[in-house]
Amino acid sequence: DGGITQSPKYLFRKEGQNVTLSCEQNLNHDAMYWYRQDPGQGLRLIYYSQIVNDFQKGDIAEGYSVSREKKESFPLTVTSAQKNPTAFYLCASSLRDRRNQPQHFGDGTRLSIL
Amino acid sequence: AQSVTQLGSHVSVSEGALVLLRCNYSSSVPPYLFWYVQYPNQGLQLLLKYTTGATLVKGINGFEAEFKKSETSFHLTKPSAHMSDAAEYFCAVSDHNAGNMLTFGGGTRLMVKP
Repeated sequence: DGGITQSPKYLFRKEGQNVTLSCEQNLNHDAMYWYRQDPGQGLRLIYYSQIVNDFQKGDIAEGYSVSREKKESFPLTVTSAQKNPTAFYLCASSLRDRRNQPQHFGDGTRLSIL
Repeated sequence: AQSVTQLGSHVSVSEGALVLLRCNYSSSVPPYLFWYVQYPNQGLQLLLKYTTGATLVKGINGFEAEFKKSETSFHLTKPSAHMSDAAEYFCAVSDHNAGNMLTFGGGTRLMVKP
């Protein structure tokens, strides 16, 4: 079955450490997204990519970085510059420039500080 | 800029009672609207969507929503709540000028009492 796979499900970060969250999709979608979700809050967009080798900052990009070398993959790195990284991170994908099509989501990665 | 407001961050109903989750949006163009459900420690799952055509949209798990342009609303309803409906629900609107970009409401946590 097609879908989005996020790994790991749980991740712990030490002070000063960079960590990378994986997101892989086999839906043949061009567009991919990373969201951050904090308790009791909605989703905030970190980065998005509409096509391979291109990506744009979302609303809260500071302290994060991404790459899009392959259509299927959109990893997110939480850098040491992100001072409050504890959150639930969601990856999504969709067809590009098709407003009537929904975004599909992975099952998330929960990141905590050690 | 588009926005989505979900009235009531927490809604509690008894099992078998009507579920009504409110969503109001602002948009300068005809909106595409979505409702997602999120169970604990999982990603978002699409419940239903409105793009064009019939304003009463039926989704999965017995949910439906009605698009009311005059009220800029897209409220989610279910005639009879089940314990398994306890989850967080998000309303989202598609941005006309940015492909598949979604603006999410803050979410409503639905609690179902036995």
